[in-house]
Amino acid sequence: DAEITQSPRHKITETGRQVTLACHQTWNHNNMFWYRQDLGHGLRLIHYSYGVQDTNKGEVSDGYSVSRSNTEDLPLTLESAASSQTSVYFCATSAGTSFHEQYFGPGTRLTVT
Amino acid sequence: QKEVEQDPGPLSVPEGAIVSLNCTYSNSAFQYFMWYRQYSRKGPELLMYTYSSGNKEDGRFTAQVDKSSKYISLFIRDSQPSDSATYLCAMGRTSGSRLTFGEGTQLTVNP
Repeated sequence: DAEITQSPRHKITETGRQVTLACHQTWNHNNMFWYRQDLGHGLRLIHYSYGVQDTNKGEVSDGYSVSRSNTEDLPLTLESAASSQTSVYFCATSAGTSFHEQYFGPGTRLTVT
Repeated sequence: QKEVEQDPGPLSVPEGAIVSLNCTYSNSAFQYFMWYRQYSRKGPELLMYTYSSGNKEDGRFTAQVDKSSKYISLFIRDSQPSDSATYLCAMGRTSGSRLTFGEGTQLTVNP
């Protein structure tokens, strides 16, 4: 069965460190998204990609970067982790031009101390 | 002011009750309306989506959109303990536009 995997599932890091969260999908979907989920804010879009070599900023992109070198992977990098980036991070995918039907990964719980 | 407002709850109901979950929005350009269900410590999954106004039914679930009032609802009939989850509304302007999510409503159905 097709799936989305995220790794690590849990991570604790220190302020100022660079952190990369992995997202791998076997749906063969063109579109990939990174969200963060926080109490009081719901899901907020960080970055998204329509396909290989394409990346776009979402509503909360400051301090984050992504790159898309193949269809399956969209790693999310926190350049210099801050305590405000403590959150649960979800990767999602969708097919074609349909953004409404998104498939989500299991999430990564990141704590920045 | 947020573009999409959703009461976070928590909402607790007895098994068999009819549940009503709601969202309001301010952007009249939204045309796609979705409900996602998220179990504890899992990723959200699409439950239902509606294009423009009207009702859509799927088993025990009914989604309603009232664009004139900028108000959407999800009704769950004969609620079951397995319906206990957080329900997030989401909206988009076009099929290819990014989604704006509500905060989510935490629902518990008690046996």
